[in-house]
Amino acid sequence: SQTIHQWPATLVQPVGSPLSLECTVEGTSNPNLYWYRQAAGRGLQLLFYSVGIGQISSEVPQNLSASRPQDRQFILSSKKLLLSDSGFYLCAWASMRTYNEQFFGPGTRLTVL
Amino acid sequence: AQSVTQLGSHVSVSEGALVLLRCNYSSSVPPYLFWYVQYPNQGLQLLLKYTSAATLVKGINGFEAEFKKSETSFHLTKPSAHMSDAAEYFCAVSEQGAGRRALTFGSGTRLQVQP
Repeated sequence: SQTIHQWPATLVQPVGSPLSLECTVEGTSNPNLYWYRQAAGRGLQLLFYSVGIGQISSEVPQNLSASRPQDRQFILSSKKLLLSDSGFYLCAWASMRTYNEQFFGPGTRLTVL
Repeated sequence: AQSVTQLGSHVSVSEGALVLLRCNYSSSVPPYLFWYVQYPNQGLQLLLKYTSAATLVKGINGFEAEFKKSETSFHLTKPSAHMSDAAEYFCAVSEQGAGRRALTFGSGTRLQVQP
């Protein structure tokens, strides 16, 4: 069966510090991968998605970047965090062969102080 | 372009009452439709999905949804609410054959269940 991992689970970072969030998927190959953000009391905002190694589509221009160095690894980064980067970050994967049905990881709670 | 509208950001029902969460979509091609549930500080979990087979779809935890093309709706229902149903619910759409391999989510509906 497939599983998706995210770490860390929680993170508190000062403004201006760098960020690296990691997401890995097990039990499938060549998945589509996604990064979402939920700000407090708001819906899901798609940040990036990837259909293959090194292929990144950015949905919203911002302070963040994403990379996919391996087939089942997706990394969200920032060089300098802003207060507005605080939120709940979710990684998801979808099979190329299904209906864009996405499976979500447990999330990372990021607080920027 | 596809979009999803969830009417009512907050819905409150009594335990044992009918749950009805509304979702309307816009899509230029036949859609795939999904309902997800999110409990506090957790990821999203798939409740059910419509993939152009039966229009009445049954999901987990006693939930079901009916695809109505004429109304462009995919409302989520449960006959009798349970306290454990309190969570946030998201409707999502993707387009069949679309090049963009991503879901479009609604803004979510928070369900409260009163004892």
